[in-house]
Amino acid sequence: GEQVEQRPPHLSVREGDSAVITCTYTDPNSYYFFWYKQEPGASLQLLMKVFSSTEINEGQGFTVLLNKKDKRLSLNLTAAHPGDSAAYFCAVTGYQNFYFGKGTSLTVIP
Amino acid sequence: GGIITQTPKFLIGQEGQKLTLKCQQNFNHDTMYWYRQDSGKGLRLIYYSITENDLQKGDLSEGYDASREKKSSFSLTVTSAQKNEMAVFLCASSPGTDSAETLYFGSGTRLTVL
Repeated sequence: GEQVEQRPPHLSVREGDSAVITCTYTDPNSYYFFWYKQEPGASLQLLMKVFSSTEINEGQGFTVLLNKKDKRLSLNLTAAHPGDSAAYFCAVTGYQNFYFGKGTSLTVIP
Repeated sequence: GGIITQTPKFLIGQEGQKLTLKCQQNFNHDTMYWYRQDSGKGLRLIYYSITENDLQKGDLSEGYDASREKKSSFSLTVTSAQKNEMAVFLCASSPGTDSAETLYFGSGTRLTVL
């Protein structure tokens, strides 16, 4: 089945710096990709859903890049702020099941 | 908008005990899921249900039972709690079974086994 590897497991950056989280996957038939954010004690909230046809997707304060050739998905937070401190999870799906990365714990230092 | 409510938020049980976790959603979604979240291991699917009275096993179903009594509720039973399954259990729902659909999550039940 699909294998999703997410790196790094922990990331600490200063306020205003960028933060990059990357997921690699193995199934070339995967075609929907998700990033979720989980604040402490809270539920996972969808940040962005990406379809395989689009390589660059921009959100508020972040960009999601999809490289299907390398089977790599990345979340780039530009100018991180303390409110971005949370756990981030990627998810990959092809036919039905979602496969989640193990998560990245991001700390933004003021 | 809707909400997913999981009860209890914290559950403490004894080893070998049978424990039940409950989930309610008011999105009117067809599909509901139970995931287990272990620190450093991501989310792993235990059971899901595509409609009332339907049950489908996930990768981690051994040691668990589930029940979809009605469209809005999905419960998970730990049949015999073990110390190595202390984790956060997350309930989720989605409108259907299309893989493009977003999962909406509850805030979890944290299980501690003494």
